[in-house]
Amino acid sequence: KNEVEQSPQNLTAQEGEFITINCSYSVGISALHWLQQHPGGGIVSLFMLSSGKKKHGRLIATINIQEKHSSLHITASHPRDSAVYICAATTGNQFYFGTGTSLTVIP
Amino acid sequence: DGGITQSPKYLFRKEGQNVTLSCEQNLNHDAMYWYRQDPGQGLRLIYYSQIVNDFQKGDIAEGYSVSREKKESFPLTVTSAQKNPTAFYLCASSAGTLSYNEQFFGPGTRLTVL
Repeated sequence: KNEVEQSPQNLTAQEGEFITINCSYSVGISALHWLQQHPGGGIVSLFMLSSGKKKHGRLIATINIQEKHSSLHITASHPRDSAVYICAATTGNQFYFGTGTSLTVIP
Repeated sequence: DGGITQSPKYLFRKEGQNVTLSCEQNLNHDAMYWYRQDPGQGLRLIYYSQIVNDFQKGDIAEGYSVSREKKESFPLTVTSAQKNPTAFYLCASSAGTLSYNEQFFGPGTRLTVL
């Protein structure tokens, strides 16, 4: 069993749609990270949060510590948002990565 | 510009050969990491280093070796003992190894064994 589970695995949306990607974890964490991996392979850190909610542009990340659940929302989605989104939970110096959600936004 | 560089982007190796992947950072970060990514799986930690001249095995260290002679460099050698080395390799660094430190990733090296 993976310590971090993401859903859905694959997601296709029309441009402009509101998108939600979910992450559930089974370990006690000190922080939860959302990463974005573009087709070329490079990874960019989007958010790091340990409680509540963070917003950056059209991206919003939330976390519910009691339910061990985090969501990444994308408002007004755009084709350039097409990427793999990875959730990672950290405990001390240990990182647990989800398998990623592949998002395709169609014009 | 500060960042992490990995070279080469694509690497081909014959079976039985050792190969070294380069990772350099100019972010003045103490901690550096090597991950392996396979299709359908999450990133898996190979080795990490918290400080110069010190490194620790991750979850899948067998068949790999590293060195940390300089703060900015953390090369990974894939040895012939690694049974299935074809994968995408990512290097990362962070200011420290505590969980609230953001990790910065390099562009990756795709290794293919022929």
